Amino acid sequence: GEDVEQSLFLSVREGDSSVINCTYTDSSSTYLYWYKQEPGAGLQLLTYIFSNMDMKQDQRLTVLLNKKDKHLSLRIADTQTGDSAIYFCAEEDQAGTALIFGKGTTLSVSS
Amino acid sequence: DTGVSQNPRHKITKRGQNVTFRCDPISEHNRLYWYRQTLGQGPEFLTYFQNEAQLEKSRLLSDRFSAERPKGSFSTLEIQRTEQGDSAMYLCASSFAAGGEKLFFGSGTQLSVL
Repeated sequence: GEDVEQSLFLSVREGDSSVINCTYTDSSSTYLYWYKQEPGAGLQLLTYIFSNMDMKQDQRLTVLLNKKDKHLSLRIADTQTGDSAIYFCAEEDQAGTALIFGKGTTLSVSS
Repeated sequence: DTGVSQNPRHKITKRGQNVTFRCDPISEHNRLYWYRQTLGQGPEFLTYFQNEAQLEKSRLLSDRFSAERPKGSFSTLEIQRTEQGDSAMYLCASSFAAGGEKLFFGSGTQLSVL
C-alpha cells in the first residue's frame, strides 16, 4: 500500500540550511508535495514537484526528487526562526484523488 | 478569496453525544476533502466530494460518520455517538481539480471527547 516515511525531528541554527528527507512508495504519483504546519493551524502548501522533474527551486526552497529511489527532499536555505514548524511530505494515492501524508518532521530553529 | 473556513475551531463533548462540523471551501473549488489528524501523525484521508457527489470514503470512516455537501458548496461532517477515540483535529481542504491535488486546508476543528 501507499506509505510515506519521514524523519521525525531536525534541529538547526538560524542561518544554516535545513534538509528534510522523505521516502514514498507510489511511483504513479504525478506530483509530490511539501506542506508546512504551524502550531494550532492547518496545513499550508509550501511547494510541489512534478514527477518528471529532478529539481525545483522556489526562493529559499529547493526540492530534489530521486524517482529511482523514491526519495524526496526539501532544502531550506538561510533557515529563520519563523521556519520552525512541522513539515509534511505527501504523495498522491493510487486513485489520484487524495494525498497520503507522512508523519511530519518537526523543524526546530535556534537563534 | 478568504481561504477555507471551518467552524467551530474547538468542540468539547461528552461520549455518546453527536457533533457536527462545517467547512466552507474556497469558492470555485469543486473538490472538498475531510482529513483527520491526531497528535504526532500526519493527516489521514476520510472522504472527498467532487461538487455535491461523495466519490470516495476511507475505511477509517465508520458508520457513525457521515458527510454531506449539498449544492456543492459548504460541507458538514457529523459524528454520531462520539467515542473518546474520535478526539482529533478534523481538517477540511479544497482544490480545483485541474491537474495536481494542490489542497488548501482550513485551520481545523479540534474535537475533544470526554
